[in-house]
Amino acid sequence: DIQMTQSPSSVSASVGDRVTITCQASQGISSWLAWYQQKPGKAPKLLIYAASSLQSGVPSRFSGSGSGTDFTLTISSLQPEDFATYYCQQARSFPLTFGAGTKVEIK
Amino acid sequence: QVQLVQSGGGVVQPGGSLRLSCTASGFTFSSYGMHWVRQAPGKGLEYVAFIQYDASNKYYVDSAKGRFTIYRDNSKNTVYLQLKSLRPEDTAVYYCAREEGKWLQLYPWGQGTLVTVSS
Repeated sequence: DIQMTQSPSSVSASVGDRVTITCQASQGISSWLAWYQQKPGKAPKLLIYAASSLQSGVPSRFSGSGSGTDFTLTISSLQPEDFATYYCQQARSFPLTFGAGTKVEIK
Repeated sequence: QVQLVQSGGGVVQPGGSLRLSCTASGFTFSSYGMHWVRQAPGKGLEYVAFIQYDASNKYYVDSAKGRFTIYRDNSKNTVYLQLKSLRPEDTAVYYCAREEGKWLQLYPWGQGTLVTVSS
């Protein structure tokens, strides 16, 4: 199975801050990577797919980059509604696997 | 709008069985692969199973093999996850999700249903 390592596990930030979350795959996955946002008690929401493609309806302050084994999710200017947990997910091979999550908290 | 509505779940004793349902609306269900993902209380997301749009291909994570069965009824726009021989460690919120495109991105997700395995 492909292991996904996310960092940091949590980050404290203020509204307006730039936040960067990284995800590393245990082997090359090309661009087969998605990012999800999850708020407490809610289902995950797709933000980014194919490493850098923005899902329809997702604000442009979210962006993704990377290829191979190293990936990044960036929130350019953190908004109050962005405080949540973020997960990366590889789609290169079954089983689809997720990172452990990064909790973005209010500073 | 594109939507997945889940039902089933509940409290079951160890060794028991349960069936989860996920009913789709707003899109041509029979054209999409479907997935199940679970989340133990306070934990991260764990992949469970997949079924191709025509049920010709299925996949299970190792912990589900031999105990869980994924199947679908395209005439009812519904995918199911049959859970058997349940263990306490299967306690989780179970989500269904549609495979949206060639990149295997999951969108949308159902609202989730809680399965609690406890005596």
